[in-house]
Amino acid sequence: EVQLAEFGGGLVQPGGSLRLSCAVSRFTFSSYSLNWVRQAPGKGLEWVSYISSNSRNIYYAGSVKGRFTISRDNAKNALYLQLNSLRDEDTAVYYCARGDYDDHLGCFDLWGRGTLVTVSS
Amino acid sequence: QSVLTQPPSASGTPGQRVTISCSGSTSSIGSNYVYWYQQLPGMAPKLLIYRNNQRPSGVPDRFSGSKSGTSASLAISGPRSEDEADYYCAAWDDRLSGVVFGGGTKLTVL
Repeated sequence: EVQLAEFGGGLVQPGGSLRLSCAVSRFTFSSYSLNWVRQAPGKGLEWVSYISSNSRNIYYAGSVKGRFTISRDNAKNALYLQLNSLRDEDTAVYYCARGDYDDHLGCFDLWGRGTLVTVSS
Repeated sequence: QSVLTQPPSASGTPGQRVTISCSGSTSSIGSNYVYWYQQLPGMAPKLLIYRNNQRPSGVPDRFSGSKSGTSASLAISGPRSEDEADYYCAAWDDRLSGVVFGGGTKLTVL
């Protein structure tokens, strides 16, 4: 079964850092763009970041720009999100989401189950 | 406050047609495709409609999407109890250089 799985969530203090990972299985990782989307407790979806299949194009939401860094390692079939200078409002479930094969921005055709990041002192 | 505007709730009976609206701008919906996602309680979101009105394989044909100008709609013809979920619209926004979501609409089947 084609799937994504996120790792690395946990409890971190305000101002702290965390690195999330997303592992994939059963599809050609290097052919697809990838995204991070988050959802604060009881709230709606918020797109966080996008990385193209070859890492040449990267985009961030304004709320995380300058604090979060997306990257990928096509040799390891892995996607990463480095979260720095964390704030209370970054508390959320973070989903890894695959872009469609034609790389239409905004189209997420496969999602992981998410990993919870809690920012609290 | 979300860039795309959706009603917070919608409801209908199995014999009705329920419509969920999504309002954007010229830089978002007016210039780009609209996508719809379904999030069942406690689950990850799932792609429901892509490129305005296309259904991925496995999505029932009671779900349909449309777009006109800077607005889009998701219609559910004859909703079932298993369709009770949160529904989100999304689109790329050229001005923000990012993906924007609607705030989500909670569907209740009466």
